[in-house]
Amino acid sequence: ELKVEQNPLFLSMQEGKNYTIYCNYSTTSDRLYWYRQDPGKSLESLFVLLSNGAVKQEGRLMASLDTKARLSTLHITAAVHDLSATYFCASPGVGGGADGLTFGKGTHLIIQP
Amino acid sequence: DAGVIQSPRHEVTEMGQEVTLRCKPISGHNSLFWYRQTMMRGLELLIYFNNNVPIDDSGMPEDRFSAKMPNASFSTLKIQPSEPRDSAVYFCASLRTGLSSGELFFGEGSRLTVL
Repeated sequence: ELKVEQNPLFLSMQEGKNYTIYCNYSTTSDRLYWYRQDPGKSLESLFVLLSNGAVKQEGRLMASLDTKARLSTLHITAAVHDLSATYFCASPGVGGGADGLTFGKGTHLIIQP
Repeated sequence: DAGVIQSPRHEVTEMGQEVTLRCKPISGHNSLFWYRQTMMRGLELLIYFNNNVPIDDSGMPEDRFSAKMPNASFSTLKIQPSEPRDSAVYFCASLRTGLSSGELFFGEGSRLTVL
């Protein structure tokens, strides 16, 4: 059974600081997805990482994928309040995504002024 | 393009009542997924369809849950009879298989409260 583990699950940080969220998955896969969810809202796709060594950046967020280590990271640079949300990573497992994604528990991020 | 459309957005019902949640996937997407989100269990895949055919319903918690996809643009998730432990947010998501990204697109969710 595919397991996706995120840490930390809760993170409170100050504006302007840097931090990294980690995502480990148990079954070999060449891709990894990051989603953002605001309270009471849907899941919004942030990054699609499609190969080993993939790195994508948007604004203050940067995601990377190491398929050999089965590890993805989401790095936050100089955090701002607007980035407060819950972030999920998701792995397709051996099915490649056609049979859905397995999600981590999510990292609830609070950025304080 | 319209995204995944779900209805109702909110449903409050009493234990024992039938609940029907509806989903319209993105046009051209041929796979549809039903997820349930709770604080305790996170996001769980309940069932998915490919080309309107149910492929894997192993995530459906009990026989009280059923799902159908009569055509490419409509799916339902039914709970009968509903119980308080079914209270959750139910998300529908779709994707177009064959595209390299394999990205799932989610609807806004249906928040179900069973009293």
